[in-house]
Amino acid sequence: QKEVEQDPGPLSVPEGAIVSLNCTYSNSAFQYFMWYRQYSRKGPELLMYTYSSGNKEDGRFTAQVDKSSKYISLFIRDSQPSDSATYLCAMSGYPGGGNKLTFGTGTQLKVEL
Amino acid sequence: GAVVSQHPSWVICKSGTSVKIECRSLDFQATTMFWYRQFPKQSLMLMATSNEGSKATYEQGVEKDKFLINHASLTLSTLTVTSAHPEDSSFYICSARPSTGGAYNEQFFGPGTRLTVL
Repeated sequence: QKEVEQDPGPLSVPEGAIVSLNCTYSNSAFQYFMWYRQYSRKGPELLMYTYSSGNKEDGRFTAQVDKSSKYISLFIRDSQPSDSATYLCAMSGYPGGGNKLTFGTGTQLKVEL
Repeated sequence: GAVVSQHPSWVICKSGTSVKIECRSLDFQATTMFWYRQFPKQSLMLMATSNEGSKATYEQGVEKDKFLINHASLTLSTLTVTSAHPEDSSFYICSARPSTGGAYNEQFFGPGTRLTVL
């Protein structure tokens, strides 16, 4: 079993839709949760950073962490074609893990006109 | 701010040759840099953690004699793929963690280097 599970998609939605992206994880010691956006043939770009459980909102993006369920989500409101990319969840902060990030496989999102 | 560059962005080499990839933090100092590889439609896999002035820490299964890492300054880390073979063809991405400031575990990623070994 992978430490972090993420549906690879692809996920195709119409412009303006609300997008929900999710990851589950098995290591209950993870404390820091991140979402990255990666365009094709580019490096990942940090979108959201959350510590422990709760919600965080930044513009059209909302990140949710439910540590009791080992489940994290990223919501994108009013999705735009420019949001078309691969979205990677990442986690870190378990004792002894130092600064290592453990990534999900990424979900490919396509927002269509 | 927080820009990380990689050079080259794309390289093709013959089997058996060595290739060096540079990772630079352009506007901040990074005591720690990380090297990842990514296969098509797969996630980033951490290869090694590079600390300025000391030996790199390699992940299990990564051959340290094949993937040489040097972190000689607070703004530069290099990855050398020695005696490259076609199975080493991949997308190599570095990240850098600011020495000061920033959130815990925050890393900034470079644009990646696509290596093709013929």
